[in-house]
Amino acid sequence: DQQVKQNSPSLSVQEGRISILNCDYTNSMFDYFLWYKKYPAEGPTFLISISSIKDKNEDGRFTVFLNKSAKHLSLHIVPSQPGDSAVYFCAAAGGTSYGKLTFGQGTILTVHP
Amino acid sequence: DAGITQSPRHKVTETGTPVTLRCHQTENHRYMYWYRQDPGHGLRLIHYSYGVKDTDKGEVSDGYSVSRSKTEDFLLTLESATSSQTSVYFCAISESAGRPDTQYFGPGTRLTVL
Repeated sequence: DQQVKQNSPSLSVQEGRISILNCDYTNSMFDYFLWYKKYPAEGPTFLISISSIKDKNEDGRFTVFLNKSAKHLSLHIVPSQPGDSAVYFCAAAGGTSYGKLTFGQGTILTVHP
Repeated sequence: DAGITQSPRHKVTETGTPVTLRCHQTENHRYMYWYRQDPGHGLRLIHYSYGVKDTDKGEVSDGYSVSRSKTEDFLLTLESATSSQTSVYFCAISESAGRPDTQYFGPGTRLTVL
């Protein structure tokens, strides 16, 4: 039972354009969401997070949007750069699972020069 | 970068042998976690620790045990390795388990069980 899903295994974007990565969840107890970025042969690095009391959080080129009614979140990267090419994981926590993150399968983003 | 190291970084072993992976942190964080990463599954929690000698199971704990005798070290043991345990293993740490629940990851250990 996959409680956090990233339905797009890969995404290809031109440099300078917007990248939109999507994530859906099924557990209504989740109230804190994170995005991690992972380069090959490295560990995931924290990118941005959002609490369920907000619907948007920005950090530079990265913005996360949360739609609680749809149980959907998205990560926008504007403008996309070749260095953004990586695997992006969304993760969720909440309810009795605090301290335990549930991850999606990941989306491979490729930004072409 | 959070001070997290994992050893070994790569290991090849044979089915049925015991294997221990080590995670070491210099951040004095209370919480430590072991995940495995497999294609199509993202990262899945194996075990976690909320203090010295305090550990609990994650969603894929069968075949794994852990120990934490010091704040800085969290060991993952495969008592008798199987080919299904071929994976990349990541250790993570966090200061708290409440909101915000940000975990910081080590560089990973690639384990191959033949």
